Amino acid sequence: DARVTQTPRHKVTEMGQEVTMRCQPILGHNTVFWYRQTMMQGLELLAYFRNRAPLDDSGMPKDRFSAEMPDATLATLKIQPSEPRDSAVYFCASGLGLAGYNEQFFGPGTRLTVL
Amino acid sequence: AQSVTQLGSHVSVSEGALVLLRCNYSSSVPPYLFWYVQYPNQGLQLLLKYTSAATLVKGINGFEAEFKKSETSFHLTKPSAHMSDAAEYFCAVSDQGTNAGKSTFGDGTTLTVKP
Repeated sequence: DARVTQTPRHKVTEMGQEVTMRCQPILGHNTVFWYRQTMMQGLELLAYFRNRAPLDDSGMPKDRFSAEMPDATLATLKIQPSEPRDSAVYFCASGLGLAGYNEQFFGPGTRLTVL
Repeated sequence: AQSVTQLGSHVSVSEGALVLLRCNYSSSVPPYLFWYVQYPNQGLQLLLKYTSAATLVKGINGFEAEFKKSETSFHLTKPSAHMSDAAEYFCAVSDQGTNAGKSTFGDGTTLTVKP
């Protein structure tokens, strides 16, 4: 049963520290998405990639967030420096992305708490 | 730009009662529409999707949705609610063309099932 995996599942850190979240998309999927979910803002798209190339990162605060795909099996989302307002659940999703009818497959999320 | 509106951020039903979650979409092209469910502390998972093959779409766990072009709606229903249906439900519309696979999500509807 193919799944999207995310590590770590939980992260508690102090303000100013660097945070790196990792995602392994489903093998064969060529599109990867990063979302942030909070009670106040709901589900927000931060960035997405197709064939490892960034297509849209307009939802991401550029000064502190960065997203990369070093290879087809790994996507990373980095926050440096972290702030308390970054506390949220971060989801990675992957999909075939070949057509609009392809759904997204979500990972279990990384719950980030910045003190 | 495509968008979806979910009417009602919270819906409460009794066990055994009809579930109706409302979603209206806006799209300049024939849309691809999705319903996802999110159980507590989990990622989103696909319930069902509309890809123009049939206007009545059946999904997992007894849910179904009907695409109505004249009403620009894609409401989710289930004849008889179970306690296990308590979750948050998201309606989404997918981009096509160069952004194929990227979805715009609604704000979500939290379903509570009372015993």
